Amino acid sequence: KAGVTQTPRYLIKTRGQQVTLSCSPISGHRSVSWYQQTPGQGLQFLFEYFSETQRNKGNFPGRFSGRQFSNSRSEMNVSTLELGDSALYLCASSLRTGLGNEQFFGPGTRLTVL
Amino acid sequence: GESVGLHLPTLSVQEGDNSIINCAYSNSASDYFIWYKQESGKGPQFIIDIRSNMDKRQGQRVTVLLNKTVKHLSLQIAATQPGDSAVYFCGTARDKIIFGKGTRLHILP
Repeated sequence: KAGVTQTPRYLIKTRGQQVTLSCSPISGHRSVSWYQQTPGQGLQFLFEYFSETQRNKGNFPGRFSGRQFSNSRSEMNVSTLELGDSALYLCASSLRTGLGNEQFFGPGTRLTVL
Repeated sequence: GESVGLHLPTLSVQEGDNSIINCAYSNSASDYFIWYKQESGKGPQFIIDIRSNMDKRQGQRVTVLLNKTVKHLSLQIAATQPGDSAVYFCGTARDKIIFGKGTRLHILP
């Protein structure tokens, strides 16, 4: 069974631009969560989608948004990029929503904002 | 706000010895606790989890201990191997997971 895939793997953008990252969950998994990982702040939860609905949200500004499609694939968008948005963005999928459902992480998208 | 902190950013352990990685959390309402391992260039990988109604849970070569009184969580790895070299994250949750910043485990030959 294929794992979680994320595209692109690496991305370079400039301040003010917007970016869209994509995540394909493991087949059959309906929950997709997004995380931001930086050396300073560590791993921080962005949001979770289940059945095309946002179920939970972290403490990030409205510039960070996401959506989930009927095939469970998910995208996250960051608008008006700032230097501090440079990070590794990780997507994780699980069969169902809720704590206790093991999350499987993808390799991440490395975003660099210049 | 809520916080999760690891006691040491780096830990060096002799191959074959046991490793203990510690974590402190602030939210007494947390009822779910989890450990992840992240190898270089990869996403985090689930190791073990524990609910607040337990104080110990064992997996293959790993044990998680939970002390709710002092809000402390630890991961014990038995007979540490070179493949255990990674960054280890603890996470605590009430409705969403809050992670610590990670402890890098170095294995000494």
